[in-house]
Amino acid sequence: DGGITQSPKYLFRKEGQNVTLSCEQNLNHDAMYWYRQDPGQGLRLIYYSQIVNDFQKGDIAEGYSVSREKKESFPLTVTSAQKNPTAFYLCASRQGILTGELFFGEGSRLTVL
Amino acid sequence: SQKIEQNSEALNIQEGKTATLTCNYTNYSPAYLQWYRQDPGRGPVFLLLIRENEKEKRKERLKVTFDTTLKQSLFHITASQPADSATYLCALGAKDSWGKLQFGAGTQVVVTP
Repeated sequence: DGGITQSPKYLFRKEGQNVTLSCEQNLNHDAMYWYRQDPGQGLRLIYYSQIVNDFQKGDIAEGYSVSREKKESFPLTVTSAQKNPTAFYLCASRQGILTGELFFGEGSRLTVL
Repeated sequence: SQKIEQNSEALNIQEGKTATLTCNYTNYSPAYLQWYRQDPGRGPVFLLLIRENEKEKRKERLKVTFDTTLKQSLFHITASQPADSATYLCALGAKDSWGKLQFGAGTQVVVTP
């Protein structure tokens, strides 16, 4: 079945460590997105990519980095520079870049100890 | 600044009744609006899309209206069922935004038998 796979589902990190969240899709979608979700707040866009080898910062990119070397993959690295990294991270993809629906993965919950 | 408001208080409703959710926005001119359902610990799932030149859209027991004058969208679940219990997110997309969406924080719906 086609879809988006995020891993790991749960991740614990010590302060000062970088962590990488995986996002893989087999939907053959061009655009991919990373959102962060905190309690009581709407999803906030971290980074997005419209095509391979290209990506743009979203609203809260500081302390994060991404790569898009393959169409299927869009990993997110949470660096030690991110001041408050504990959150629920959601990866999404979309066919094209216009009004189509977003397909989301199941999310990764990162907790900084 | 742009603002998207959804009722933060949970909507408790009896099975069989109609649930009505509100999404209000300010300082924004969306070209389209989408509604998503999110279950606890899961990624959002797309439900409906409505464009700025459309007044109403329906899908099975769901109905969405879009009033660009009032800057408001209403989301209705008719003949609600306990399985409809979830958090519902509205998301706005602007023209030429490369598919980026701005999300509200969501409203939790609890349907009791």
